[in-house]
Amino acid sequence: NAGVTQTPKFRILKIGQSMTLQCTQDMNHNYMYWYRQDPGMGLKLIYYSVGAGITDKGEVPNGYNVSRSTTEDFPLRLELAAPSQTSVYFCASRHMDQTQYFGPGTRLLVL
Amino acid sequence: ILNVEQSPQSLHVQEGDSTNFTCSFPSSNFYALHWYRWETAKSPEALFVMTLNGDEKKKGRISATLNTKEGYSYLYIKGSQPEDSATYLCALAAGGYQKVTFGTGTKLQVIP
Repeated sequence: NAGVTQTPKFRILKIGQSMTLQCTQDMNHNYMYWYRQDPGMGLKLIYYSVGAGITDKGEVPNGYNVSRSTTEDFPLRLELAAPSQTSVYFCASRHMDQTQYFGPGTRLLVL
Repeated sequence: ILNVEQSPQSLHVQEGDSTNFTCSFPSSNFYALHWYRWETAKSPEALFVMTLNGDEKKKGRISATLNTKEGYSYLYIKGSQPEDSATYLCALAAGGYQKVTFGTGTKLQVIP
């Protein structure tokens, strides 16, 4: 099993550009999450999904969108990149025993 | 938004010392309490998931306890080693769909 994979590893965006952060898991987990890592603030939940076709907002959803058309994939979309979205983004999926498995992260810099 | 607090924010201990951290959380709609270990430049790794009041978990030199009635969990490290240096996160799963809220973490540095 590859576990949770994320692409790209690193990206630089200009203000106003759009991009999609990809997340894929091969563990057949229903629950998936997107977090951002803010310095000194730990992990903030952006969006989460409890299964294909079902998504909901977390603490900091503004400026982001998600979709969940399959169990495996949970992409995160940034429509109009802003400097405040500079962060490290982690995707995670959750086993039935509640354990979350994290991807390696995507480092995003918005200039 | 649930308030999950961790203390201390950071600490330095000598190799061989034992230490402990605290995670405080609102006890309403409790579902589970997670502990993660997060090394710099890596992804968080799960240590424990606890669901029942009074739960105690142990993995090697690391153990954790849970009190859901008063809303706190303790993480203990016995005989700290330099490789224990990391940020330790707790996370509360609560409410519908067990939405997860992370604390800000305790950064531990073990000095050889």
